[in-house]
Amino acid sequence: DTEVTQTPKHLVMGMTNKKSLKCEQHMGHRAMYWYKQKAKKPPELMFVYSYEKLSINESVPSRFSPECPNSSLLNLHLHALQPEDSALYLCASSQVRASPDNEQFFGPGTRLTVL
Amino acid sequence: GIQVEQSPPDLILQEGANSTLRCNFSDSVNNLQWFHQNPWGQLINLFYIPSGTKQNGRLSATTVATERYSLLYISSSQTTDSGVYFCAVGWTNAGKSTFGDGTTLTVKP
Repeated sequence: DTEVTQTPKHLVMGMTNKKSLKCEQHMGHRAMYWYKQKAKKPPELMFVYSYEKLSINESVPSRFSPECPNSSLLNLHLHALQPEDSALYLCASSQVRASPDNEQFFGPGTRLTVL
Repeated sequence: GIQVEQSPPDLILQEGANSTLRCNFSDSVNNLQWFHQNPWGQLINLFYIPSGTKQNGRLSATTVATERYSLLYISSSQTTDSGVYFCAVGWTNAGKSTFGDGTTLTVKP
């Protein structure tokens, strides 16, 4: 099974709301990733977790707060977002971060609209 | 960081035609993937191919790591092949991949 699931599929939130995105994988992968993708652009890396520890933060604003409660779950907590944060948020996982066999598998994404 | 350039940026084909998509990268890599992003945004794994040649049905890919490029071949294209094709490259110790800007493929019936 090479499935990564994400919930919700769509999310509309106001600038004062607090919401969370959820990602789950059951492939035994120990690296998990959050990407942000704007329309007609490639995915941009936001965060990387390796063995449940944050290993890469690509200078993401603090209004995005990642969390990895266990090896199967990855959350992205959202607070005080701006309209320009509207985008497709993609989660991915791979076996191990620092390994030649680093094939990433992506979830279907959450389409976020900030009003 | 690694620079990734994909060409062509846009490609329009008639159903049944063949095509070649290219991915050039600026530095040594040991991790290269091709993805197809469908209209709903899902990134579908096509190939994990840091070197060599692989085939899967009508699709095949070749990476020449020493010359820093990879090619994706699509034969007998179908309308369902439409979408954006991305290559993503990386070096193990960096722990992350860099995506090219993608090739948008439109296959007309």
